[in-house]
Parts: sequence; structure tokens; C-alpha cells
Amino acid sequence: KAGVTQTPRYLIKTRGQQVTLSCSPISGHRSVSWYQQTPGQGLQFLFEYFSETQRNKGNFPGRFSGRQFSNSRSEMNVSTLELGDSALYLCASSHSGGRTDTQYFGPGTRLTVL
Amino acid sequence: ILNVEQSPQSLHVQEGDSTNFTCSFPSSNFYALHWYRWETAKSPEALFVMTLNGDEKKKGRISATLNTKEGYSYLYIKGSQPEDSATYLCAFLPAITGNQFYFGTGTSLTVIP
Repeated sequence: KAGVTQTPRYLIKTRGQQVTLSCSPISGHRSVSWYQQTPGQGLQFLFEYFSETQRNKGNFPGRFSGRQFSNSRSEMNVSTLELGDSALYLCASSHSGGRTDTQYFGPGTRLTVL
Repeated sequence: ILNVEQSPQSLHVQEGDSTNFTCSFPSSNFYALHWYRWETAKSPEALFVMTLNGDEKKKGRISATLNTKEGYSYLYIKGSQPEDSATYLCAFLPAITGNQFYFGTGTSLTVIP
């Protein structure tokens, strides 16, 4: 069974630009969550999607948005990039989004904002 | 913002040593605690999901305990091996915030051959 995939793996953007990251969950998984990791910080929860609906949202500005498609693939968009958005962005999928479901993480997208 | 703390921040042990580290979380409003292992250049990998006070889980040489009343979980590694070198993360899930996990900053373990 293929794991969670994320594209692209690395990305360099400049301030003010926007970026879209993609996450393909494990086949059959319907829940996708997104996390941001910056140096010295633990993983920070961005949002969770289940069956194309955003169920939970973390404490991030409105520049961070996402969506989920009918095949459960998810995209995350960051508009008007700031230097502080430089981070590793991870997505994780689980079968039904149950709160004790095992989450399977992708390899991440490393975003650098110059 | 909920505070989840892990200690120590980093740890170096000799191969064969046993070790343990701590995850502290708010004792009120508990729903679940997840443990992950994150090896360099790989994805975080789930180890345990713990839900009940007094839970003990085991996977090979790794085990974990949970005390929800005092707000901590211990992760133990018996007879550490170089392949155990990784960052170990805990993620706290409160009862009232849906699926919003709160991660600690991790304990980085290096096992010296």
C-alpha cells in the first residue's frame, strides 16, 4: 500500500508570493491534517479535512487555507508569503479521522521564503 | 494555547542502555495521547495511542505508560540500539477541540554504538 505523498518536496519562494502544497493520502483514508514545523517549535496544527469539509482549524492567520477533493487529496495554500512561513509542512492521513486513529505522515514539503 | 512539554530535550546513551523520557500535558480535559518516532530524513511514525489512565503499551523494546490524573506519560526504551536514534514526539488531544493535536517539541535520542 503506497504511503502518504507530498509534492513538491522542496520549494523556494519570495515574500509576497503565494504557494500551493499537495498531499495525497493513503488509499481509503478520508481524513487529512496539515502541520507546520519551524525551528525550535513542535508541530503546529493547521487544519483537518474530512470528506471535503474542514472539521478543525488551528490558530493560523487567514493567509493559510486548504481544501480537500472528492478523492481525499488535499491542498494547502499560503498567500502573501512572509519570511516566517519558512518551515517544513507535513500532512498526515487517517482512515476515518477518529480521534484515536493512527495518523500516517508524509515526508513533508520544505518551504523557504526569501 | 495548551502546553505540552517533553524532557529531556536531547539524550545520548550507549548501546545497550535503557532510557526513558517524559511527556507532560494538562491533566484536565484529556482525551488521548499519541507517541511518534521521527527518524532523520523520514516521516514521523506512530508508536502508540493511549487513552486510559494507567494504560501501558508495548512494541518490542519500547513501552509507554500514561497517568492522566497527574498529566504525564513516560516512554521507555530497553536495551537501546543505534536504530533507536530518532526524535520521539508526543501529541496531546484534549477532549473539547476535535482533532486538533498539540505536539511537544520532542526528545532527540542518540544511541552511541
